[in-house]
Amino acid sequence: ETGVTQTPRHLVMGMTNKKSLKCEQHLGHNAMYWYKQSAKKPLELMFVYSLEERVENNSVPSRFSPECPNSSHLFLHLHTLQPEDSALYLCASGSGTGTGANVLTFGAGSRLTVL
Amino acid sequence: GQNIDQPTEMTATEGAIVQINCTYQTSGFNGLFWYQQHAGEAPTFLSYNVLDGLEEKGRFSSFLSRSKGYSYLLLKELQMKDSASYLCAAKDSNYQLIWGAGTKLIIKP
Repeated sequence: ETGVTQTPRHLVMGMTNKKSLKCEQHLGHNAMYWYKQSAKKPLELMFVYSLEERVENNSVPSRFSPECPNSSHLFLHLHTLQPEDSALYLCASGSGTGTGANVLTFGAGSRLTVL
Repeated sequence: GQNIDQPTEMTATEGAIVQINCTYQTSGFNGLFWYQQHAGEAPTFLSYNVLDGLEEKGRFSSFLSRSKGYSYLLLKELQMKDSASYLCAAKDSNYQLIWGAGTKLIIKP
């Protein structure tokens, strides 16, 4: 399978649950990203991993915990979320984090609803 | 602060031409991107401009004016499948992407 694959596509969870989002890329990219997309708002960058090391954490609450076990896989662990965390969570991969176009390839997202 | 402005929604007719504008204010500039996102799908890359001028790619063209902090995406011969959101993003001096909220384009027959 090519591109960026995210699972699950839809997730409903209560505020006390623990769940994880998974992202997989088979493009040979060395950078992976988590973004939050809310209706009518700009994409919010949450975390960036480059060569499996976290290089950015944009003041994301600790109830979101990323994990990057290797260059092809990225997880977002969720616990004790709030209703305002309901959004589309997009994973992306790219060939670098610096100069040049560094086009991002996105997954289709995981639609999260927190009750 | 850093900011990207683009219209929230636009409507156009099948077969026509539409121009989606984007203005940006960033700390430094290292290029501007356009992505297309169909409802329920992944954003996909359309274009990248780093120098002033027009870049043409089939029915889609993208223009950049660095002095004005302005870009537009031009879509010609509109098709129903062009109904989507179009995301503008500028890369700042730290190579961080600053995103706009997206423009939802509705194509009518």
